[in-house]
Amino acid sequence: KQEVTQIPAALSVPEGENLVLNCSFTDSAIYNLQWFRQDPGKGLTSLLLIQSSQREQTSGRLNASLDKSSGRSTLYIAASQPGDSATYLCAVKPSGSSNTGKLIFGQGTTLQVKP
Amino acid sequence: DVKVTQSSRYLVKRTGEKVFLECVQDMDHENMFWYRQDPGLGLRLIYFSYDVKMKEKGDIPEGYSVSREKKERFSLILESASTNQTSMYLCASSSGWRTYEQYFGPGTRLTVT
Repeated sequence: KQEVTQIPAALSVPEGENLVLNCSFTDSAIYNLQWFRQDPGKGLTSLLLIQSSQREQTSGRLNASLDKSSGRSTLYIAASQPGDSATYLCAVKPSGSSNTGKLIFGQGTTLQVKP
Repeated sequence: DVKVTQSSRYLVKRTGEKVFLECVQDMDHENMFWYRQDPGLGLRLIYFSYDVKMKEKGDIPEGYSVSREKKERFSLILESASTNQTSMYLCASSSGWRTYEQYFGPGTRLTVT
């Protein structure tokens, strides 16, 4: 059974620091991996999606990498800002499954960027 | 831009009431999902639908039902609300091919008293 883990559960950094959020999954048979951001009391916002054939995706100050064989993904945030404070979740879509699009979510990492 | 909307941001209901939560997406997506999110428990899938009138149970379907009469609309029904259904409810949609990228609505905070 696929399990997705995000460690640490919480992270606090000073503004301007570059940081890495981690996501690991137990079964390497994935179709893709998606990173989301969630602000308190709000829905999830899709940040980046990496297909299983890709190694990384970039959007602005965000870079997500995928190492399928080792069951790991990282989300790199450059020059962090207080506005980056949120919970970040990763989710995998298992391969070989139907076209339902079901995802397996991690518990998330709550990031606080201090001014 | 994909838009997923939910009928209410906040809802307060009494125990035993029948509750309807509605979700609408504007991207002609095949798949739609209902989750609940509770502190310490993360996101849990209640039900999903992969086509009109087609549905499957997720991880925690007990106490809930769903309806999908039109492709763009997916409703979650609490037949008889209970206090343990107080939660944040999130709707999402995705295409049924290629990326399956999932898009979420703003959420409904439901309180059952």
